[in-house]
Amino acid sequence: DTGVSQNPRHKITKRGQNVTFRCDPISEHNRLYWYRQTLGQGPEFLTYFQNEAQLEKSRLLSDRFSAERPKGSFSTLEIQRTEQGDSAMYLCASSSRHPGSEKLFFGSGTQLSVL
Amino acid sequence: DAKTTQPNSMESNEEEPVHLPCNHSTISGTDYIHWYRQLPSQGPEYVIHGLTSNVNNRMASLAIAEDRKSSTLILHRATLRDAAVYYCIRSNTGNQFYFGTGTSLTVIP
Repeated sequence: DTGVSQNPRHKITKRGQNVTFRCDPISEHNRLYWYRQTLGQGPEFLTYFQNEAQLEKSRLLSDRFSAERPKGSFSTLEIQRTEQGDSAMYLCASSSRHPGSEKLFFGSGTQLSVL
Repeated sequence: DAKTTQPNSMESNEEEPVHLPCNHSTISGTDYIHWYRQLPSQGPEYVIHGLTSNVNNRMASLAIAEDRKSSTLILHRATLRDAAVYYCIRSNTGNQFYFGTGTSLTVIP
């Protein structure tokens, strides 16, 4: 069990640029979640996958955001035309399927700074 | 919508027990109660969860009120490494884990 891995740890970009983050979940976990966290706030749910299917998206996920999980393994979160308001920590979590009682395992996150 | 209410902050002396409260007055019968904690610059970490009965593990204990409208996370002997933000979360089948702002725990040496 190597844990949930997120890359890069830090990303600095200029407003208007596109960025992509990667998440590698724990290998046997079929659920994968993306959260966003700003300073002083708890993580906010963005979207989640069960295997390769994206089952739910938050209203926070504007059309500039897209997430994929090809083959039900790693996932990518892309933000197009970044804005300063996108600056946040982007967290990925994975879990095995025990609905309701599942435990989420989080990565250390990708800190995005949009200049 | 976090649907839980926690104090913004609490303090505890090192090696003393800590009781972190959480209100979830609108909880449904199938909602689990989860606790996670987050250390600075890290992702949240699972602490404990339960449905109706009190639960114990190596990290903490979870005491759930009989009417399930509130719960308390108990750290039996606080250490400096327990200083973190603690989140109380409701979750059930089909619902996502919605985090509130949590309780920031300060441990005083």
